[in-house]
Amino acid sequence: GAVVSQHPSWVICKSGTSVKIECRSLDFQATTMFWYRQFPKQSLMLMATSNEGSKATYEQGVEKDKFLINHASLTLSTLTVTSAHPEDSSFYICSEWGANGYTFGSGTRLTVV
Amino acid sequence: LAKTTQPISMDSYEGQEVNITCSHNNIATNDYITWYQQFPSQGPRFIIQGYKTKVTNEVASLFIPADRKSSTLSLPRVSLSDTAVYYCLVANGVTGGGNKLTFGTGTQLKVEL
Repeated sequence: GAVVSQHPSWVICKSGTSVKIECRSLDFQATTMFWYRQFPKQSLMLMATSNEGSKATYEQGVEKDKFLINHASLTLSTLTVTSAHPEDSSFYICSEWGANGYTFGSGTRLTVV
Repeated sequence: LAKTTQPISMDSYEGQEVNITCSHNNIATNDYITWYQQFPSQGPRFIIQGYKTKVTNEVASLFIPADRKSSTLSLPRVSLSDTAVYYCLVANGVTGGGNKLTFGTGTQLKVEL
């Protein structure tokens, strides 16, 4: 099946710094990319949707200037958490949609200290 | 998007069959039902998908009644490694149409010896 490579799997950063999370489609072209956030013992919450070459659409309550999404190609999408704060600590998951449906990345555990 | 309702948690013992039921009363004609499995600190993994009646693969069976307002994921002879959260999702078409997915609470399955 389709494979999405998400990196890093975990990251610890200082408050106020920025962190970039990357998702790559290894064997298919991702028409649409979804980014989710998951807090401990909670379900996945959609943050934003992006299509290759266009601006991302953010869900209500998600700050677009804080969570920068770049989907410059059909195989690469990035999420940058800018000026991270402890409350941004969470598990971030990308999901790519293509001809075979949805494929999820392995997730990134972000801890802001 | 059809909203889904599942039990929050279920407990079982190794070797038993586990059935997790999901309600999706507002499912649309073109919607398919997909089940995902998520282990801690990992992204969701596709288990099985169906439209009506019964679908079986190497890991699970999916039972869907004629009115399609619910579905039941059946895991035969579970083992400790089946301890995970199971999500039921409803989306348009076999591939989901590239629409955003709405994750419900999921069902935390705990398998014990």
